[in-house]
Amino acid sequence: AQSVTQPDIHITVSEGASLELRCNYSYGATPYLFWYVQSPGQGLQLLLKYFSGDTLVQGIKGFEAEFKRSQSSFNLRKPSVHWSDAAEYFCAVGPMNYGGSQGNLIFGKGTKLSVKP
Amino acid sequence: DTGVSQNPRHKITKRGQNVTFRCDPISEHNRLYWYRQTLGQGPEFLTYFQNEAQLEKSRLLSDRFSAERPKGSFSTLEIQRTEQGDSAMYLCASSLAGITDTQYFGPGTRLTVL
Repeated sequence: AQSVTQPDIHITVSEGASLELRCNYSYGATPYLFWYVQSPGQGLQLLLKYFSGDTLVQGIKGFEAEFKRSQSSFNLRKPSVHWSDAAEYFCAVGPMNYGGSQGNLIFGKGTKLSVKP
Repeated sequence: DTGVSQNPRHKITKRGQNVTFRCDPISEHNRLYWYRQTLGQGPEFLTYFQNEAQLEKSRLLSDRFSAERPKGSFSTLEIQRTEQGDSAMYLCASSLAGITDTQYFGPGTRLTVL
């Protein structure tokens, strides 16, 4: 069955420090991969996505993610965290059928990021 | 592009009552999705539409839940005879069907069942 694992429930980093949030997926073929961010009581904002091509993808707010097929991973990184990055981050996989994408996203349980001043 | 909108943003109801939520997708998007998110969890898929057609429903969508998208634009999600376990955030997303389908989410409707 398709699944997404985010092994870290809660991470705390100091402002200005680097960040890496882990995401592993289980899927039979190359999926579509996404990172979303959610502030308290809000909907999800798309940070970045991977469909094909270059395995290092750039997103908004200075985030990037690297797709590693051999490790079934799609980790999110940021070189210098700002206090405003405190939020919950969700990795998601979208199934791809022949001819294009179709259907729902499967989400991990999320990683809550706290930022120390 | 005004984004995906959802109404109401918050709903408090008593157990056994019916509730209805509305989602207005991004105007040119032909796909519309409903998800449910409980505390400490990621969103879980409920159902999705392409234009007016409801193409997929999750096992989570019990017979008390019904969704419609009558003209292929806005959608409604109704929950009949609400239970305390229905308390959650209900998220709507929309996308344009294609090779690189990307879902954009609304702000959600927070349901509390007393």
